[in-house]
Amino acid sequence: EAGVAQSPRYKIIEKRQSVAFWCNPISGHATLYWYQQILGQGPKLLIQFQNNGVVDDSQLPKDRFSAERLKGVDSTLKIQPAKLEDSAVYLCASSLAPSRELFFGEGSRLTVL
Amino acid sequence: GESVGLHLPTLSVQEGDNSIINCAYSNSASDYFIWYKQESGKGPQFIIDIRSNMDKRQGQRVTVLLNKTVKHLSLQIAATQPGDSAVYFCAENIFGDYKLSFGAGTTVTVRA
Repeated sequence: EAGVAQSPRYKIIEKRQSVAFWCNPISGHATLYWYQQILGQGPKLLIQFQNNGVVDDSQLPKDRFSAERLKGVDSTLKIQPAKLEDSAVYLCASSLAPSRELFFGEGSRLTVL
Repeated sequence: GESVGLHLPTLSVQEGDNSIINCAYSNSASDYFIWYKQESGKGPQFIIDIRSNMDKRQGQRVTVLLNKTVKHLSLQIAATQPGDSAVYFCAENIFGDYKLSFGAGTTVTVRA
């Protein structure tokens, strides 16, 4: 079974620039999550989708972050404009249903200079 | 703020010994817990889970213990191997919340 795919793996940008991350979840997984993991910390949930609807985006900085999941499959997370404190690994995960086992991708490491 | 935390940020273990990683949580409404392992440069990988109606669950070389009275969770790894070197996270789900919250993690280093 193919795992969660993410791209790009690495991205370096300057502050105030924009960046987009892409995620393809495991086939059949209705729930998709984006987590932010700052170095030395545990993952923090940014947004959770159930099919193509948002379940929870309470910790998403909506003035600069946006995410969508078109057709209930792939998802993109965008940051515009980026700040230095956005430097982190952005992890995408999927699960068959909310609160079930999450399967994570390898992550996209963002460095903002 | 986070309600899930780990007692120690680092743990050094001799190869072949047993490892015990601890986690404390504060929300009595938490009903589902998962332990994840994260190797350098990779995403977290599921190890084992436990629901609040259980006290103990065993997997291959791993055991999770849940003490709801003191809101404490532990992961025991038997006969620790070099491949067990990683950061270990506990995560909890609060009943009705449908999302997982992660603690800060414990870095386990296995000495040869």
